[in-house]
Amino acid sequence: GNSVTQMEGPVTLSEEAFLTINCTYTATGYPSLFWYVQYPGEGLQLLLKATKADDKGSNKGFEATYRKETTSFHLEKGSVQVSDSAVYFCALSTGGGNKLTFGTGTQLKVEL
Amino acid sequence: GAGVSQSPSNKVTEKGKDVELRCDPISGHTALYWYRQSLGQGLEFLIYFQGNSAPDKSGLPSDRFSAERTGGSVSTLTIQRTQQEDSAVYLCASSPDWAQAFFGQGTRLTVV
Repeated sequence: GNSVTQMEGPVTLSEEAFLTINCTYTATGYPSLFWYVQYPGEGLQLLLKATKADDKGSNKGFEATYRKETTSFHLEKGSVQVSDSAVYFCALSTGGGNKLTFGTGTQLKVEL
Repeated sequence: GAGVSQSPSNKVTEKGKDVELRCDPISGHTALYWYRQSLGQGLEFLIYFQGNSAPDKSGLPSDRFSAERTGGSVSTLTIQRTQQEDSAVYLCASSPDWAQAFFGQGTRLTVV
């Protein structure tokens, strides 16, 4: 079956620090990969996605590259801001309705 | 509205009672999903609708859970004889295609 493993949090960083949140996956077929973000008190929002190997998704300064050889989709940002504090979920979908399989989420806290 | 709307936003119910949770997807989105977010289990897929039919009900945890969708639009998730372990945030999402799912704010269910 499909599964997603992401690093446990919480992750606490100072503003302008470099961020990496690791995500690896196991899937049948060729999945699409996603990062979703949940800001405090808000619903899940799509942050970025990649649909095939070597694709790079990017949005709001965040990037993630679909690495088939390592089955990974690590999230990176060069300089985090306090406003990036949120819970980040890695997810994948395969055929058959495109339902999402999520990782457990990583809480990020950015301090001044 | 422009987004996925869920109601109620919060529901407190007594153990053994039935509850209904409602989801209004984005107009024109053919796919609709229900997920559950709980502390112990993370984000779990429950059921997927394409139009009014549910080709994938594999995530429903027991026969106390059921869902329907009418007119290719509104969906209702019903939990019969609620138990304390049903306490969670129930999320609905809709999608027009394979690209991304748009999530509602969720219904927080507390069974006392």
